[in-house]
Amino acid sequence: QKEVEQNSGPLSVPEGAIASLNCTYSDRVSQSFFWYRQYSGKSPELIMSIYSNGDKEDGRFTAQLNKASQYVSLLIRDSQPSDSATYLCAVNGGKTSYDKVIFGPGTSLSVIP
Amino acid sequence: DVKVTQSSRYLVKRTGEKVFLECVQDMDHENMFWYRQDPGLGLRLIYFSYDVKMKEKGDIPEGYSVSREKKERFSLILESASTNQTSMYLCASSPISVSYEQYFGPGTRLTVT
Repeated sequence: QKEVEQNSGPLSVPEGAIASLNCTYSDRVSQSFFWYRQYSGKSPELIMSIYSNGDKEDGRFTAQLNKASQYVSLLIRDSQPSDSATYLCAVNGGKTSYDKVIFGPGTSLSVIP
Repeated sequence: DVKVTQSSRYLVKRTGEKVFLECVQDMDHENMFWYRQDPGLGLRLIYFSYDVKMKEKGDIPEGYSVSREKKERFSLILESASTNQTSMYLCASSPISVSYEQYFGPGTRLTVT
């Protein structure tokens, strides 16, 4: 059974701090990795995708991928109260586009003003 | 911007009714998906389709069927609604590539009484 695991949280950080969200996955052949943000009562919104080992930066967000350790993380710099949401890690389960994306359970982030 | 729309934001149906949930995307995406999301259970894939008239079962297809007669439209059908199908239903689409980035509609909150 392919799995994606995340700490459920809640993770609380003060405004302006760095929030660090972590995700591990079980399937070594996974190729594509995504972070979604979901505000309460809303649908998930894609915020980052990463396909190669290393870091990928987009504004205040940095995704980090380590395939050897089967680990992907999301760093949010200068956290704002508007970043308070649940963050879902998602992993493409295989080598082809017909393979399913597997979502983790999500980590709840609360940014305290 | 990718736009995925769903026919209803909120829906209340009675047990035993046949329920149709419609999803339309405007980005010419090949892949479309139906998920349900429940507290503590995360996102679970019901069905997906990678081409017109093609469909594949997801993790929880029991009690559901789907229809994809046109590329932009993917319908979820509850043949005989039951109270355990009360949930948030999310439709998503993605282009046919290994990146598999999914774009979600706003969701339909279905209550079966």
